[in-house]
Amino acid sequence: AQKVTQAQTEISVVEKEDVTLDCVYETRDTTYYLFWYKQPPSGELVFLIRRNSFDEQNEISGRYSWNFQKSTSSFNFTITASQVVDSAVYFCALHASGGSYIPTFGRGTSLIVHP
Amino acid sequence: AAGVIQSPRHLIKEKRETATLKCYPIPRHDTVYWYQQGPGQDPQFLISFYEKMQSDKGSIPDRFSAQQFSDYHSELNMSSLELGDSALYFCASSSGRRNTGELFFGEGSRLTVL
Repeated sequence: AQKVTQAQTEISVVEKEDVTLDCVYETRDTTYYLFWYKQPPSGELVFLIRRNSFDEQNEISGRYSWNFQKSTSSFNFTITASQVVDSAVYFCALHASGGSYIPTFGRGTSLIVHP
Repeated sequence: AAGVIQSPRHLIKEKRETATLKCYPIPRHDTVYWYQQGPGQDPQFLISFYEKMQSDKGSIPDRFSAQQFSDYHSELNMSSLELGDSALYFCASSSGRRNTGELFFGEGSRLTVL
């Protein structure tokens, strides 16, 4: 069975602070894919990043960075110098063959960035 | 670029009524997924279709049914609505049955059952 745990329900920061959103996953598959999606107040889930299980390189995209560690089954997401527009719910998701590649989502972390 | 279109965006129904949600995938996408997201909850997978055939089934209640049509749009039919069915219903599309890439989501249809 697949499972994604986002232990942080809500995080509140002040603009320009760095913030890390945690994601821990469980799967018995050796091939799997991890994702982060952003859900702004408008509601639509927006894709941010995809990582496959064979690529543990960390990635940086502007103010966003992701730390994938298979040893701890974690795929954490860091926003540097947060901005008010980053306020949203962020979901971590897992696709794996054992789950027929149907995405399993975590509960989401609500990030509130105050001006 | 065209995105996933869902209609209606908002729907209010009474208990025991029926509702139909529609989803128009991105052009040339052949796979559609339906998710239900309750207040403060993660999206729960309901059902998916590939090439007009049901491909996977999740936690879809027996009161719900869905299908994918020849133009690849999909409809989710919900009958005997209950208060607990109030949620945001997402449709997502992708290309290929065993998708390893990202899903493209619509803006969701918010159903409120009174």
